[in-house]
Amino acid sequence: SQQGEEDPQALSIQEGENATMNCSYKTSINNLQWYRQNSGRGLVHLILIRSNEREKHSGRLRVTLDTSKKSSSLLITASRAADTASYFCATAVNQAGTALIFGKGTTLSVSS
Amino acid sequence: GAVVSQHPSRVICKSGTSVKIECRSLDFQATTMFWYRQFPKQSLMLMATSNEGSKATYEQGVEKDKFLINHASLTLSTLTVTSAHPEDSSFYICSVNRQGNNQPQHFGDGTRLSIL
Repeated sequence: SQQGEEDPQALSIQEGENATMNCSYKTSINNLQWYRQNSGRGLVHLILIRSNEREKHSGRLRVTLDTSKKSSSLLITASRAADTASYFCATAVNQAGTALIFGKGTTLSVSS
Repeated sequence: GAVVSQHPSRVICKSGTSVKIECRSLDFQATTMFWYRQFPKQSLMLMATSNEGSKATYEQGVEKDKFLINHASLTLSTLTVTSAHPEDSSFYICSVNRQGNNQPQHFGDGTRLSIL
């Protein structure tokens, strides 16, 4: 079953702009992860945020987590055409060795 | 370099054919691997958890006799789609968890299965 919703479903921006994607989930979690998927390819792990963390950064990526609202956001700053992809949040309900429950994803298009 | 190798990347075959997909963990031993399915423009849905040396655990609605999983070694899990039909056409992806708490999953590149 899917964990929740992501919005927007699709996002089109110009290079240099920031892109924000949101994710909501339903159950208690141990951590939340964001993945990127280029068309027809596997998933690439971007960032993992633990349930006791509120914000995390990695390069141009910034992830926030609000466990009281059961939501997370992914911000990509200064976007590039190469950022064009689908982005998924996924939750892990246990600490170790558990399958992930994925959100529906956001398709990001960055035009130059 | 790649942590997970999935093969083949693309299969096109006739209805009724059985298709085997391999997933190899290249970097570490994996007692557990996961198989997901993704329909066009949709998210990933967990099909089953592959357990080394024991039976796989299937999600509700996934037929175990249709999707045979074998995890005979700590680095290899296989998914066999038996007597495949057009409705089985999908993108199948495996993943592996490195042992330890709060570890990300590593995904294979996926297998695009098209049944004619």
